[in-house]
Amino acid sequence: DAGITQSPRHKVTETGTPVTLRCHQTENHRYMYWYRQDPGHGLRLIHYSYGVKDTDKGEVSDGYSVSRSKTEDFLLTLESATSSQTSVYFCAISDDGGPLQETQYFGPGTRLLVL
Amino acid sequence: GQNIDQPTEMTATEGAIVQINCTYQTSGFNGLFWYQQHAGEAPTFLSYNVLDGLEEKGRFSSFLSRSKGYSYLLLKELQMKDSASYLCAVKDSNYQLIWGAGTKLIIKP
Repeated sequence: DAGITQSPRHKVTETGTPVTLRCHQTENHRYMYWYRQDPGHGLRLIHYSYGVKDTDKGEVSDGYSVSRSKTEDFLLTLESATSSQTSVYFCAISDDGGPLQETQYFGPGTRLLVL
Repeated sequence: GQNIDQPTEMTATEGAIVQINCTYQTSGFNGLFWYQQHAGEAPTFLSYNVLDGLEEKGRFSSFLSRSKGYSYLLLKELQMKDSASYLCAVKDSNYQLIWGAGTKLIIKP
């Protein structure tokens, strides 16, 4: 299994508070992704990174920001949490170099509840 | 828009064979992936197809027809541990993955 960890694994917070989720990888992969997963929807891309300090928006980026200051860490921040951001958040990684290397591998997920 | 369609839920019997279909309409095509996701866990990679035809990997096989925008995942000799959701995803012209909502497979003894 790819070495990907996420922290925290569970979090309960209140509306209006900022929240930061961390993804850490030990694979030295170039690409990192943040997804959210909600019932009835496929995984939806929030933001992704293609290198240190290189990030771009995904399909559902409003209300989220990211940072990647080191290859191994990719942070997702909810600037002011809302109840609609209650979800399961997955981090994924992939690399260059062909289909297997470009396959995305997922971290264990963070369950976030915004009250 | 881009769209991936899969059945929401399927039921099968232990020891049997089941086929999970996936149809897609995307802007470009750079490969199709199948993932397995057990309840409360992360998706795990099962298979990748980029050329038409069947890819076999043990009890699991995946088929692709690019002209029809269609794929299926075939699971043989079903085991109780195969109870999970199966996610279909297509890599589009921007090399981004577009995901289906997943098919929940229930295995009965």
